[in-house]
Amino acid sequence: AQTVTQSQPEMSVQEAETVTLSCTYDTSESDYYLFWYKQPPSRQMILVIRQEAYKQQNATENRFSVNFQKAAKSFSLKISDSQLGDAAMYFCAYRSVSNFGNEKLTFGTGTRLTIIP
Amino acid sequence: NAGVMQNPRHLVRRRGQEARLRCSPMKGHSHVYWYRQLPEEGLKFMVYLQKENIIDESGMPKERFSAEFPKEGPSILRIQQVVRGDSAAYFCASSPPLAGAYEQYFGPGTRLTVT
Repeated sequence: AQTVTQSQPEMSVQEAETVTLSCTYDTSESDYYLFWYKQPPSRQMILVIRQEAYKQQNATENRFSVNFQKAAKSFSLKISDSQLGDAAMYFCAYRSVSNFGNEKLTFGTGTRLTIIP
Repeated sequence: NAGVMQNPRHLVRRRGQEARLRCSPMKGHSHVYWYRQLPEEGLKFMVYLQKENIIDESGMPKERFSAEFPKEGPSILRIQQVVRGDSAAYFCASSPPLAGAYEQYFGPGTRLTVT
């Protein structure tokens, strides 16, 4: 079974600065997807960024980028130019791609990000 | 294009009552997933359904919980004889019937409170 670990329960960053959230995972599969989701106080789950394991290039979405280290099973999220609206819980998630029907997301326990004005 | 709809948004039940949570997937989506989020925790997978079929229910408690996704109408997560430990946010997600479609779109969740 796959597991996802987020070792930072809480992080804070000054507005306009850069912050990196950590995520590690454990799997025996060679192909899979990784995601970062954001959950603001409204509790709506919002997809921030995704990474396909077969791609060596790190995914980037505007101010959000990842550092995907497949051999180390590490998938960190970097938020540049932090904004007040980035304050939220951030969840790392894993999804298998090798077995049809095994499409559930496995989530980490989350990191609460606070933005300091 | 409306997103994933869940209702009710908030549900209060007394111990022993039944809770019914509804999820309407995005238009054109035939795959539905239910997740549970306990306070201060991450989301935990419960069940994955396609129209009229349960594909994976490995995360579903063996007793009191059931789910369905009929040919017509929303997906229903049913909890019988609720207990205090069932208090949580229940999220539904959907995805299209495409091979390799990897993104799941989440609804706003139903917050169940058992008193």
